Amino acid sequence: AQSVTQLDSHVSVSEGTPVLLRCNYSSSYSPSLFWYVQHPNKGLQLLLKYTSAATLVKGINGFEAEFKKSETSFHLTKPSAHMSDAAEYFCVVGANAGGTSYGKLTFGQGTILTVHP
Amino acid sequence: KAGVTQTPRYLIKTRGQQVTLSCSPISGHRSVSWYQQTPGQGLQFLFEYFSETQRNKGNFPGRFSGRQFSNSRSEMNVSTLELGDSALYLCASSHKSGGETQYFGPGTRLLVL
Repeated sequence: AQSVTQLDSHVSVSEGTPVLLRCNYSSSYSPSLFWYVQHPNKGLQLLLKYTSAATLVKGINGFEAEFKKSETSFHLTKPSAHMSDAAEYFCVVGANAGGTSYGKLTFGQGTILTVHP
Repeated sequence: KAGVTQTPRYLIKTRGQQVTLSCSPISGHRSVSWYQQTPGQGLQFLFEYFSETQRNKGNFPGRFSGRQFSNSRSEMNVSTLELGDSALYLCASSHKSGGETQYFGPGTRLLVL
């Protein structure tokens, strides 16, 4: 069984300050982990993916996430927020090869990021 | 390469009607997954198709069904619509199922009156 907990439903930052969006996961298998972003009235865009090749994963638009197995965490960070980063962010656990959760992504409840000028 | 496309983008239906939504995956992708997004329940997995076969199904009633064609295009159908079916329906495609990155379409927003 897989589950994801996003620890903050809302995060508010000022433009130019760091962003931290927190995520804890639970998975029976070695997980595939993702962060997706959704802007208002849009679909989901992939920010980055962890696949066990490296614990620090770099994504698009300056975002990165660190996989910590001992803490079962996959927090998303960005050094300096931009107004265009305002959106909802989803931490996601993916199906794994050899498992039975074919094609199933399990989503966290989302974190709404607000960026103030 | 063109992204995932979904049609129609918006739909208004009344209770008791049925609806069919369409999804065209990225060229070369054989797996299509469907999700329902609502403010109360968030994003929930509906089902996944791979090579015209349903490989996995979420916890939804039998009113929700789908199929996949030989060209990997997929449709989902909801019969006897209820008010609670109002949602954004998202489809996603990937090369194959199992750990692969899924790429999402823009969604179909369904309003049931």
